[in-house]
Amino acid sequence: NAGVTQTPKFQVLKTGQSMTLQCAQDMNHNSMYWYRQDPGMGLRLIYYSASEGTTDKGEVPNGYNVSRLNKREFSLRLESAAPSQTSVYFCASSFSGRAVYEQFFGPGTRLTVL
Amino acid sequence: KNEVEQSPQNLTAQEGEFITINCSYSVGISALHWLQQHPGGGIVSLFMLSSGKKKHGRLIATINIQEKHSSLHITASHPRDSAVYICVYGGATNKLIFGTGTLLAVQP
Repeated sequence: NAGVTQTPKFQVLKTGQSMTLQCAQDMNHNSMYWYRQDPGMGLRLIYYSASEGTTDKGEVPNGYNVSRLNKREFSLRLESAAPSQTSVYFCASSFSGRAVYEQFFGPGTRLTVL
Repeated sequence: KNEVEQSPQNLTAQEGEFITINCSYSVGISALHWLQQHPGGGIVSLFMLSSGKKKHGRLIATINIQEKHSSLHITASHPRDSAVYICVYGGATNKLIFGTGTLLAVQP
């Protein structure tokens, strides 16, 4: 099993460009998450999908959109990238959205917006 | 103010030392997780606790519900334990709050 995979691993964008970060899991998990990690701060939730067909905003959703394409895949889109979106992005999945369940993380995408 | 406070923020130890990382949270929990983030960036879940104590190899995690405090202990530390250790609090709403992490460096 690959676990949680993310593409790309690295990306450099210019201000105003758009891109989609892809995430897939092969553990048959119901819930999936997108986080960003910035220096000196804990991981912050951007969006999550408690189950296939549902998505909800997290703590820092502005400037992002998501799509839960199917049970396996959850993508994050930046429509018009800004330097403030320079960060490391992690996708995660868990069996369910309850806090007692372990989350499994992808390897991360390091995004720089110039 | 972050609802999860970790201490210390940075820790340097000599190989073989016993290490303790502390985590305090402000409200009642349904679960507390400890994560390890390697220098390359990958994040791995170490423990989920809702009460008591768990042990896995040289790692031990404890939680005191009354005091709203958890500790992660590493016995016989090794340079490969060098990583960032992150405490994650999960409350009744199932929202997870992440601590800022403790950067551990174990020197040979």
